Amino acid sequence: AQKITQTQPGMFVQEKEAVTLDCTYDTSDQSYGLFWYKQPSSGEMIFLIYQGSYDEQNATEGRYSLNFQKARKSANLVISASQLGDSAMYFCALRASSGAGSYQLTFGKGTKLSVIP
Amino acid sequence: DAGVIQSPRHEVTEMGQEVTLRCKPISGHDYLFWYRQTMMRGLELLIYFNNNVPIDDSGMPEDRFSAKMPNASFSTLKIQPSEPRDSAVYFCASSPRGGARNSPLHFGNGTRLTVT
Repeated sequence: AQKITQTQPGMFVQEKEAVTLDCTYDTSDQSYGLFWYKQPSSGEMIFLIYQGSYDEQNATEGRYSLNFQKARKSANLVISASQLGDSAMYFCALRASSGAGSYQLTFGKGTKLSVIP
Repeated sequence: DAGVIQSPRHEVTEMGQEVTLRCKPISGHDYLFWYRQTMMRGLELLIYFNNNVPIDDSGMPEDRFSAKMPNASFSTLKIQPSEPRDSAVYFCASSPRGGARNSPLHFGNGTRLTVT
């Protein structure tokens, strides 16, 4: 079974500073994908960044980067130069085989990020 | 390119009534997922389809819930009879075929269901 753990229910960051949102995961699959989504107060789910288990380099996408430590099973999201619009819920998710050839996406509980002006 | 389209955006109904949620996936996407989001349980996968065929429905809470995908461009999630504990935001998402592990899910805007 897959499991995602986000231990920070809420985080605060000063505008223009960097912030790291933690995510650890558990899977017995050797090939898997890790995703981060943003959910603003309006409710939509926005895909931010992806990291594959066999990717040698950490993923980057604009101000978003992923600190992937496979041995520790962690995939932390780093947001650089925070902006007020970054205030939202952030979800880490794992996509792996559950043994029956299925590739469901399992989500963590999320971290609520608040950017302070 | 249109994203995943869900309707209605909001639904308020009385306990015992039938509720039908609708979803149109992105054209060309072969996987379709239904998720439910609540404060207590977070985002839970209810069921997903591959090429219109249900693959995993282990997350469907009970027999009151049913989902269908009659064709590649339409899916429904039905609750009959509805109960107050079904109140949640229901998301539909789709993803393209191939490289399934690295394919992000594209979410609709969700349907906020309130059962009184």
